[in-house]
Amino acid sequence: AQSVTQLDSHVSVSEGTPVLLRCNYSSSYSPSLFWYVQHPNKGLQLLLKYTSAATLVKGINGFEAEFKKSETSFHLTKPSAHMSDAAEYFCVVSDMGNTGGFKTIFGAGTRLFVKA
Amino acid sequence: NAGVTQTPKFQVLKTGQSMTLQCAQDMNHEYMSWYRQDPGMGLRLIHYSVGAGITDQGEVPNGYNVSRSTTEDFPLRLLSAAPSQTSVYFCASSYSGPGNRNSPLHFGNGTRLTVT
Repeated sequence: AQSVTQLDSHVSVSEGTPVLLRCNYSSSYSPSLFWYVQHPNKGLQLLLKYTSAATLVKGINGFEAEFKKSETSFHLTKPSAHMSDAAEYFCVVSDMGNTGGFKTIFGAGTRLFVKA
Repeated sequence: NAGVTQTPKFQVLKTGQSMTLQCAQDMNHEYMSWYRQDPGMGLRLIHYSVGAGITDQGEVPNGYNVSRSTTEDFPLRLLSAAPSQTSVYFCASSYSGPGNRNSPLHFGNGTRLTVT
């Protein structure tokens, strides 16, 4: 069965410093992996996705993530944090379901705080 | 272009009452799903559907029923509401057919449900 573990429930950085949000996954298949962002009282927005092409994936707003199969990881990074990056981030795996299609499982989320 | 539409936005129920959360999408997406979001637990998959007439259980299906009679609609039914079902509910859809796991999810704006 598939699962997603986000290793930090909260991350706090200063504006202008790098961001690292960690995600490990388990999957019985070759999964697709996604990162979503949720700003307060808003819905979820796709940041980026990995779909078995390039292992380094670039997303919106300067974020990127690297797929490492040997480590079963898909960590999200950004070189320089902005105040507007403060939000909750979700790592997501899409894997085989029981009905022949695919189901999507979310990690518990990492809340990013950005200090001025 | 409405995307994914959820109704109602807010709902208060008494224990034991029943209700249906509505979800409709106008993007001709095959895949639809329901999640609940609780603090510190991320989004947990309740039920999902890979096409009309096909549904399957997610991580936390107990207390919820679904059906998928059309491609557009995927209602979630609470037959006898309990306080533990107080949560924010999100409906999501994607283009994923049985062989396409790479499509990202499109989310509705959520339904905030309180059961007293």
